[in-house]
Amino acid sequence: AQKITQTQPGMFVQEKEAVTLDCTYDTSDQSYGLFWYKQPSSGEMIFLIYQGSYDEQNATEGRYSLNFQKARKSANLVISASQLGDSAMYFCAMREGRTDSWGKLQFGAGTQVVVTP
Amino acid sequence: DADVTQTPRNRITKTGKRIMLECSQTKGHDRMYWYRQDPGLGLRLIYYSFDVKDINKGEISDGYSVSRQAQAKFSLSLESAIPNQTALYFCATSDFEGNQPQHFGDGTRLSIL
Repeated sequence: AQKITQTQPGMFVQEKEAVTLDCTYDTSDQSYGLFWYKQPSSGEMIFLIYQGSYDEQNATEGRYSLNFQKARKSANLVISASQLGDSAMYFCAMREGRTDSWGKLQFGAGTQVVVTP
Repeated sequence: DADVTQTPRNRITKTGKRIMLECSQTKGHDRMYWYRQDPGLGLRLIYYSFDVKDINKGEISDGYSVSRQAQAKFSLSLESAIPNQTALYFCATSDFEGNQPQHFGDGTRLSIL
């Protein structure tokens, strides 16, 4: 069963606007972590932001913030003031807390973001 | 120099050939992973290793094997390549702390004709 769902295959956003990328997850663990990665057209995977299941505050890193709604099992990424360099594929990933899963990431299918001038 | 280095970066080969993809890291991490990326499917875990003596199958291990030669080296082999193994392959490493991200190599683009 799909553990990470990203329902937006692609989206356009105008430069300087904010964009929200959706991510929902499925786990029965109480302890887990959620990650967002950026993949530009050059192909490398760039870590953006992390949210732990026990973190009381939403994570922020510069222009990236995570809208974490635990009861709804969603961890949406918000990019503020979009820049042309934000054009990329964005992946949501989850690390579950069980011992046999510790360290393993499960990825969503990704959302392609295109920032237009 | 990159912290996680994958070689080769690109490879084109024929069906039935044996292929090895290599990964080395200078981050000092015990944990290493191999993923493949296909369009529309995100990244899927092939194999992972939590230390030199520990090798585990991931979600899609059929047709692949791995070798952890040292803490810093983790190689992926396709014993007899087939066209549907054409994909972008990533090696990654991580620390044991749960809140630490995985660090990825730049990927190997593999095409099997």
